[in-house]
Amino acid sequence: AQSVTQLDSHVSVSEGTPVLLRCNYSSSYSPSLFWYVQHPNKGLQLLLKYTSAATLVKGINGFEAEFKKSETSFHLTKPSAHMSDAAEYFCVVSGGYGNKLVFGAGTILRVKS
Amino acid sequence: DAGITQSPRYKITETGRQVTLMCHQTWSHSYMFWYRQDLGHGLRLIYYSAAADITDKGEVPDGYVVSRSKTENFPLTLESATRSQTSVYFCASSEEPGLQETQYFGPGTRLLVL
Repeated sequence: AQSVTQLDSHVSVSEGTPVLLRCNYSSSYSPSLFWYVQHPNKGLQLLLKYTSAATLVKGINGFEAEFKKSETSFHLTKPSAHMSDAAEYFCVVSGGYGNKLVFGAGTILRVKS
Repeated sequence: DAGITQSPRYKITETGRQVTLMCHQTWSHSYMFWYRQDLGHGLRLIYYSAAADITDKGEVPDGYVVSRSKTENFPLTLESATRSQTSVYFCASSEEPGLQETQYFGPGTRLLVL
């Protein structure tokens, strides 16, 4: 069975400083891992995904994540936060028949000016 | 290019009433999913469908019914709404089953059960 733990429910950064959103996973399979973003009152949008190719994955809007099997982690980073990055971020693991996704509880990112 | 749409976007109903949430996608994706989003739980899978006339339960199916008579539509029915079903509901679709496939989400339906 798969599970995902997002280690911080809220993260606050200043504009222009780095962003780190932490995610640990557990999976019986070789997992696919995703980060989705949800802006207020909007649907979810895919930021990036890991599918057993390169361990460092680049996504949209300057985000990237590194798959570390030994640490069972898939942390999301961005070198310099922008006000428009304020949103809720979900780490997701996929596996098993039917492409079912298992979501973490989410991390709300606040960006201060 | 409408993508995936949900209706209504907002709904208020009363305990015991039947409510149907609609989901429509224009990509002809095989797989469709219904999730509910509640504070502290992320998204949880209610039901999913692999193709027309093929549906299966997810993590939290109790109190919900789905059907898939056409590939592009996947309605979710609350047969007798309860307050615990107050939530935001998201529909999603993906082209093929498989660990690498991305799911595309609709904008969500906010449901309040009084």
